[in-house]
Amino acid sequence: VQLVESGGALAQPGGSLRLSCAASGFTFTNDAMAWVRQAPGKGLEWVSSISGGDGRKNYADSLTGRFTVSRDNSKNTLYLQMNSLRAEDTAVYYCAKLFRLRGVPGRVEFFQHWGQGTLVTVSS
Amino acid sequence: SYVLTQPPSVSVAPGKTAKITCGGNYIGSRSVHWYRQRPGQAPMLVIYYDSDRPSGIPERFSGSNSGNTATLTISRVEAGDEADYYCQVWDGSSDHHYVFGTGTKVTVL
Repeated sequence: VQLVESGGALAQPGGSLRLSCAASGFTFTNDAMAWVRQAPGKGLEWVSSISGGDGRKNYADSLTGRFTVSRDNSKNTLYLQMNSLRAEDTAVYYCAKLFRLRGVPGRVEFFQHWGQGTLVTVSS
Repeated sequence: SYVLTQPPSVSVAPGKTAKITCGGNYIGSRSVHWYRQRPGQAPMLVIYYDSDRPSGIPERFSGSNSGNTATLTISRVEAGDEADYYCQVWDGSSDHHYVFGTGTKVTVL
């Protein structure tokens, strides 16, 4: 499994960026994917996820509708469109493959594989 | 939203045992997963479903979960275990959220 993020850059407050994550080594279409970010010197924060089958999307409440996750299964690529960027969005953004364990009680889902991350800096 | 609390730091001598706790309300009723993040690197899964190890993770890593506390135990600690460790659960009560703990820095003395 390989996940390679790109698209991180320096952006102005209020600006936009699109991150990409190229996936290989597994059947991308079938698997849920996610974005997780880490601000400098801080902990991990889940940003968004998208399912493999119906493409259902979920977002962290704190994003207030500014980010949009999508996927192109024909290109094995995950995207994160980031609009109205703020200084507090400055972070390393990781792409991750989710894995859901079946046949067990409750919902058991975790981040099975991670990319190396791409740095987004929001500053004037 | 669901909150997971970890001690900021744990120090341990080589060859000894490190225990990293993850506190949450009735966390024992949820499945807990653990990640290791070495300096400058991406996180990596070390324990899933409370106590299972992915392939390639040594048996020195083990996990438990009961009541209000989940624990990651690292036996026979090595210098390479020095890293930040995060617990994680899925929070179905708040619209499909994945919650991470606050993180614990393990220092090998």
